[in-house]
Amino acid sequence: DTAVSQTPKYLVTQMGNDKSIKCEQNLGHDTMYWYKQDSKKFLKIMFSYNNKELIINETVPNRFSPKSPDKAHLNLHINSLELGDSAVYFCASSSDQTSYNEQFFGPGTRLTVL
Amino acid sequence: GNSVTQMEGPVTLSEEAFLTINCTYTATGYPSLFWYVQYPGEGLQLLLKATKADDKGSNKGFEATYRKETTSFHLEKGSVQVSDSAVYFCALSDLRGSDMRFGAGTRLTVKP
Repeated sequence: DTAVSQTPKYLVTQMGNDKSIKCEQNLGHDTMYWYKQDSKKFLKIMFSYNNKELIINETVPNRFSPKSPDKAHLNLHINSLELGDSAVYFCASSSDQTSYNEQFFGPGTRLTVL
Repeated sequence: GNSVTQMEGPVTLSEEAFLTINCTYTATGYPSLFWYVQYPGEGLQLLLKATKADDKGSNKGFEATYRKETTSFHLEKGSVQVSDSAVYFCALSDLRGSDMRFGAGTRLTVKP
């Protein structure tokens, strides 16, 4: 039983295209996140959603937009892809009910923009 | 704002060597502290955590103690194995947990 799943695992596309990455969690968590990991393994938070409300947006270009159809899903849409968008994107989730708020991560989606 | 600084890698050790990866933090209030591990080609997994001062988190032979006086959460293991080769991330989160800050990651390679 996968806790946090992402699709696709690999995504190769041309510059200028629009693409989406899907994320689903079956943990009943309240908050979901998107992170970008660059080639040097540096992790940068992009978005988080709590009960369908965006609560963090860290200087991310508006070409990136999160979409949360329900509490279990947070999809990432990227318009007009650029070479610099190539990275691994991780989805994560956490519960507001625990005292330490551990985040559970998906396996990642490796995006390559040609 | 909250931030985490961890020692730069890469770190290369021989099997059974002692490991220390330093991590210090800056935060207001009383954050929770974490170590995450990322094995090649995988997502991050929680390795251990501590939620208050003087707590010691431990898992798989790894340990870290929440030191408020030195604002540190150093990761240690007495005898590393080849299978410990991974990237290790120190992280902190505020009480609400939605604002988790990660360090830059430290790549560990253990050679037989």
